[in-house]
Amino acid sequence: GAGVSQSPRYKVAKRGQDVALRCDPISGHVSLFWYQQALGQGPEFLTYFQNEAQLDKSGLPSDRFFAERPEGSVSTLKIQRTQQEDSAVYLCASSSPLGQGSGANVLTFGAGSRLTVL
Amino acid sequence: GESVGLHLPTLSVQEGDNSIINCAYSNSASDYFIWYKQESGKGPQFIIDIRSNMDKRQGQRVTVLLNKTVKHLSLQIAATQPGDSAVYFCAETPGGGNKLVFGAGTILRVKS
Repeated sequence: GAGVSQSPRYKVAKRGQDVALRCDPISGHVSLFWYQQALGQGPEFLTYFQNEAQLDKSGLPSDRFFAERPEGSVSTLKIQRTQQEDSAVYLCASSSPLGQGSGANVLTFGAGSRLTVL
Repeated sequence: GESVGLHLPTLSVQEGDNSIINCAYSNSASDYFIWYKQESGKGPQFIIDIRSNMDKRQGQRVTVLLNKTVKHLSLQIAATQPGDSAVYFCAETPGGGNKLVFGAGTILRVKS
């Protein structure tokens, strides 16, 4: 596609429910990132994939958070037993070494999935 | 931990004036810096980037300045327009890795 697509755009969950957030990166982009953005703050790194390999998951806040990218394209971020503090916008980004800018680290972000946990 | 921070949380400018958004970073090992713009309800959008071996880079109506001595980054927007109203984030890659570390953001409001 033309950009990074995320779904759902909005998700309301009751505390304790499991949620799954989907990311469709730009076709051909090797690297895929998940970020969490709390209201009024900058995005915080969660995890990073290169193709299907999860190379860095140091930002995942707890073992309730799990991300996968089984075929190296679409990725899913799963949050189990959601808590109110999980309420945030979850941003997915992808990048390619041939992306815009002078570096290989320019990320193209999706619009995000806004999760509200009641 | 290492962090990127911003001096001014909110900046209001008159349409047509120049804007300067500042950012202080703490990790001297960072070798790559990016400015992103985020409009309400959207994801961050790339504006301009700069490597640590440069002190200035220009784009269309935007200039990024890097002062490694005082670990300071700034974004200059010429002839600011209402469409420039957004939150601006600086970000760095500590150690040149793939992970971007973002600052808290500056809100830019353009008055017509």
